[in-house]
Amino acid sequence: IAGITQAPTSQILAAGRRMTLRCTQDMRHNAMYWYRQDLGLGLRLIHYSNTAGTTGKGEVPDGYSVSRANTDDFPLTLASAVPSQTSVYFCASSDSAGGGLGEQFFGPGTRLTVL
Amino acid sequence: GQNIDQPTEMTATEGAIVQINCTYQTSGFNGLFWYQQHAGEAPTFLSYNVLDGLEEKGRFSSFLSRSKGYSYLLLKELQMKDSASYLCAVEDSNYQLIWGAGTKLIIKP
Repeated sequence: IAGITQAPTSQILAAGRRMTLRCTQDMRHNAMYWYRQDLGLGLRLIHYSNTAGTTGKGEVPDGYSVSRANTDDFPLTLASAVPSQTSVYFCASSDSAGGGLGEQFFGPGTRLTVL
Repeated sequence: GQNIDQPTEMTATEGAIVQINCTYQTSGFNGLFWYQQHAGEAPTFLSYNVLDGLEEKGRFSSFLSRSKGYSYLLLKELQMKDSASYLCAVEDSNYQLIWGAGTKLIIKP
């Protein structure tokens, strides 16, 4: 692994189903983030984690949950998917040890369609 | 509320210079970022400004005026590969990034 990876690349999901988007980084960054990107809107932060064992809510957390059991992995779960969660989801990480967010490195994204 | 404004779309000619503006109103300010995003790909970091003035990096430069809540990204000697969306983002007082919707730059031969 080099950098940050996400799985799956794309997914079509029936409404009401549970889905976990996976994110793994090998850069030993302490901070990780989940964003969604919709046409005409900026990236919106769903959840974040400043360090392993801690998580926080972003701008649009409803309907999503995250965990950060270790430094490398930061999965995002949709407990019961709804059509409004159709979006492209990006995971990102940064080394914020020096204070501030620092440059964020993004995964390739997961394109999710909820029908 | 917090707001980042950028033009939706701009068109420029190969070899020319283009300036993409960004204005912001946020709860606090800890720095401004520019990212490039090619269609269907992830954003990649271009520049970071925290102090007023111009930061130059090759063909790309970024300017910041904190008193005016204003930044611009200057791209020189445009190449076809510069066709992409350019995203402006501000780090607020909660150390979260607030993102603009992006400016789609179209380069014509």
